[in-house]
Amino acid sequence: AQSVTQPDIHITVSEGASLELRCNYSYGATPYLFWYVQSPGQGLQLLLKYFSGDTLVQGIKGFEAEFKRSQSSFNLRKPSVHWSDAAEYFCAVAARGSARQLTFGSGTQLTVLP
Amino acid sequence: DVKVTQSSRYLVKRTGEKVFLECVQDMDHENMFWYRQDPGLGLRLIYFSYDVKMKEKGDIPEGYSVSREKKERFSLILESASTNQTSMYLCASSFNRGGADTQYFGPGTRLTVL
Repeated sequence: AQSVTQPDIHITVSEGASLELRCNYSYGATPYLFWYVQSPGQGLQLLLKYFSGDTLVQGIKGFEAEFKRSQSSFNLRKPSVHWSDAAEYFCAVAARGSARQLTFGSGTQLTVLP
Repeated sequence: DVKVTQSSRYLVKRTGEKVFLECVQDMDHENMFWYRQDPGLGLRLIYFSYDVKMKEKGDIPEGYSVSREKKERFSLILESASTNQTSMYLCASSFNRGGADTQYFGPGTRLTVL
């Protein structure tokens, strides 16, 4: 079975600084990979996803993520963080084949300082 | 615009009560999911359905059941609520195109069992 690890429970950055959120997955082949964001009191919104092809994926709100097969990682990045980016971020993985189910990481809470 | 709605944002119930959580999607999606979200644990899959009247257990089905009588509606049932079922419950839906299509989430129901 697949699994996802988000090693950082909480990250604090200053507004305008760059951001990288880490995600490592465990799966025997190349999975489908997702990043979701959850603002306070809201459901989850998809930021970006990787299915195949170019390993650098662009998403909404200026986010990008890079799939690195050798490191089993799918880290999320943003060059300049805005105060509105404060939220909880979830990485998720789905196995190829019967790929309806997502396995989520435990989340990273992002705080943005003014 | 994509829409997944959940019947209540907040719900307070007593131990032993039967609880119904309703989810409706207007996107003609085949797949529907119920997750619970707890701090530090991320989202865990309770049940999912890939067709009307079909259901499959997720990772933590104990104490829950589901019903899907119509394509757009997926209900989560707590037969006899217990305090350890106090949590945020999130519903999601997706197309079934043979791969891991994007899941769209509702705003969540925060359930408190006293």
